[in-house]
Amino acid sequence: EIVLTQSPGTLSLSPGERATLSCRASQSVSSNYLAWYQQKPGQAPRLLIHGASSRATGIPDRFSGTGSGTDFTLTISRLEPEDFAVYYCQQYGSSFGPGTKVEIK
Amino acid sequence: QVQLVQSGTEVKKPGSSVKVSCKPSGGTFSSYTICWVRQAPGQGLEWMGGINPIFDTADYAQKFQGRVTITADKSTSTVYMELSSLRSEDTAVYYCARGMSGDRRDGFDIWGQGTMVTVSS
Repeated sequence: EIVLTQSPGTLSLSPGERATLSCRASQSVSSNYLAWYQQKPGQAPRLLIHGASSRATGIPDRFSGTGSGTDFTLTISRLEPEDFAVYYCQQYGSSFGPGTKVEIK
Repeated sequence: QVQLVQSGTEVKKPGSSVKVSCKPSGGTFSSYTICWVRQAPGQGLEWMGGINPIFDTADYAQKFQGRVTITADKSTSTVYMELSSLRSEDTAVYYCARGMSGDRRDGFDIWGQGTMVTVSS
């Protein structure tokens, strides 16, 4: 079973700053089936990125995903107030990483 | 836009079972895989398993093998998740979610509202 680790656990940033979130897999992720989600308190997760780098429908272009194999990155180019949330990566539609909380500094 | 509508809050005793339903509003599942993900209070997301309702093929996370059963009723376009031998650690919000590209590999694009299951004596 592939285990995902995310870093950092918490990211403290100000609106307008750039956020870089990392997701590392214990083995290569098949065909780069790596997805990123955003979750706010009391809400279901929202799909941001699929296939490691493709934005889901309606997702602003300040969100971008890169990476392949075992190392993946989610970048938020300029943080908007609504972007402060927890972000999870997921591989092959199964296991999730533990999450990265992006909080207001 | 299709939405997934789940059944309501459940309170169960340890050792019992719970069955949660998930149904699309205004449509059918078609050939999309439906998965179940749970989230314990203050914790992360945990994939439990999924089913393709058309082919009736289900697969489960190793952790839940033997304790979870996911089924589909094609006549009502409803997917069910039943978890047995409940313990306090099963207290969580249970979500159903749709596989974006038909199967689950490419992530989940539509999520249900979540069902809170509390296990307590």
